[in-house]
Amino acid sequence: SSELTQDPAVSVALGQTVRITCQGDSLRNYYASWYQQKPGQAPVLVFYAKNKRPSGIPDRFSGSTSGNTASLTITGAQAEDEADYYCNSRDSSGDHHVFGTGTKVTVL
Amino acid sequence: QVTLRESGPALVKPTQTLTLTCTFSGFSLSTSGMCVSWIRQPPGKALEWLALIDWDDDKYYNPSLKTKLSVSKDTSKNQVVLTMTNMDPVDTATYYCARTMGAYGDYNFFDYWGQGTLVTVSS
Repeated sequence: SSELTQDPAVSVALGQTVRITCQGDSLRNYYASWYQQKPGQAPVLVFYAKNKRPSGIPDRFSGSTSGNTASLTITGAQAEDEADYYCNSRDSSGDHHVFGTGTKVTVL
Repeated sequence: QVTLRESGPALVKPTQTLTLTCTFSGFSLSTSGMCVSWIRQPPGKALEWLALIDWDDDKYYNPSLKTKLSVSKDTSKNQVVLTMTNMDPVDTATYYCARTMGAYGDYNFFDYWGQGTLVTVSS
């Protein structure tokens, strides 16, 4: 199986832009999906595929992929965006799923 | 409205077998393309995908846990069951079930999650 690596923590000033990255070989073949998790809550899907955002997710969340790196960008971060974020994709075999190591986003 | 709910014991002893049930509504696991996954999260740690079962009863397991896991479905009851053998304290985690879409294309996603159930492994 393959791994997906994320930076452990990032911080962003209120209203500014933050990019969360996810690196892994399988991302050359499969798109990532992204999940927001607040303390004590189940994860919530915030972005997936090339350019899909679930209903109800603000358009300040966007995603992209380049080579082996997927990115989730929050443009104009809000206090409520402070959370852990996880990427997910398939592994190189295509048969299994793998989550990234997670990134804690702090909004200053 | 899609909902999922996990149920099972909150406490199991080491070496015992854990059985968790995911009861869902708002979709049918007999519909082509529908899948349900199990995912866990140890306290303070990252999410870990465990297993997936699809509408055609195909099953996939995390390679590192394959010998411990078994997943099955009862379409008539809208339930998916996860069995995990030889439980160890390191298996202490919140266990989630989640509807999984796009499992066989170039993208997949978990769009609906249960609230999770905390399972503690201790003697």
